[in-house]
Amino acid sequence: GNSVTQMEGPVTLSEEAFLTINCTYTATGYPSLFWYVQYPGEGLQLLLKATKADDKGSNKGFEATYRKETTSFHLEKGSVQVSDSAVYFCALSTGTASKLTFGTGTRLQVTL
Amino acid sequence: NAGVTQTPKFQVLKTGQSMTLQCAQDMNHEYMSWYRQDPGMGLRLIHYSVGAGITDQGEVPNGYNVSRSTTEDFPLRLLSAAPSQTSVYFCASRPEGYGYTFGSGTRLTVV
Repeated sequence: GNSVTQMEGPVTLSEEAFLTINCTYTATGYPSLFWYVQYPGEGLQLLLKATKADDKGSNKGFEATYRKETTSFHLEKGSVQVSDSAVYFCALSTGTASKLTFGTGTRLQVTL
Repeated sequence: NAGVTQTPKFQVLKTGQSMTLQCAQDMNHEYMSWYRQDPGMGLRLIHYSVGAGITDQGEVPNGYNVSRSTTEDFPLRLLSAAPSQTSVYFCASRPEGYGYTFGSGTRLTVV
């Protein structure tokens, strides 16, 4: 079956630090890969996605590259802000129904 | 567009009670899903639908029913609430070829 593994949090960084959140996956077929972000008390928002190998998704300074050879989709940002503090979920989908399989989430806390 | 609207936002139930969590979207999306979010477990798929009149089970369907009589609405029914169903429930929808849009969630406590 499908599964997603994320690095455990919380991740605590100072403002302007470099961020990496690791995500690896196992899947049947050729999945699409996603990063979702959840701010406190809110639902999930799609941050970025990639639908095939070597695609790079990017949004709001965040980037992730679909690496088929390492089955990874690590999230990066060059300079985090306090406003980036949230929980980040890596997810994949396969099949025509595109059901999402989520990782357990990584909490990011950015301090001044 | 209001996006995906979930009601209620908070609910406390007694064990054995039944209730319906409402979900509506005004974006004419064909695909809709229900997830539950529990600490340390991410989000798990309960039921999903690929169009009006079509539903199927996800990863954790036991104790829940769904129906999809219209494109807009996808209610989730708890038949006989149990403490193990204490969770935050999210409804999501998407059009063909795009990512899911999530509602703001319903926090359910079963005592």
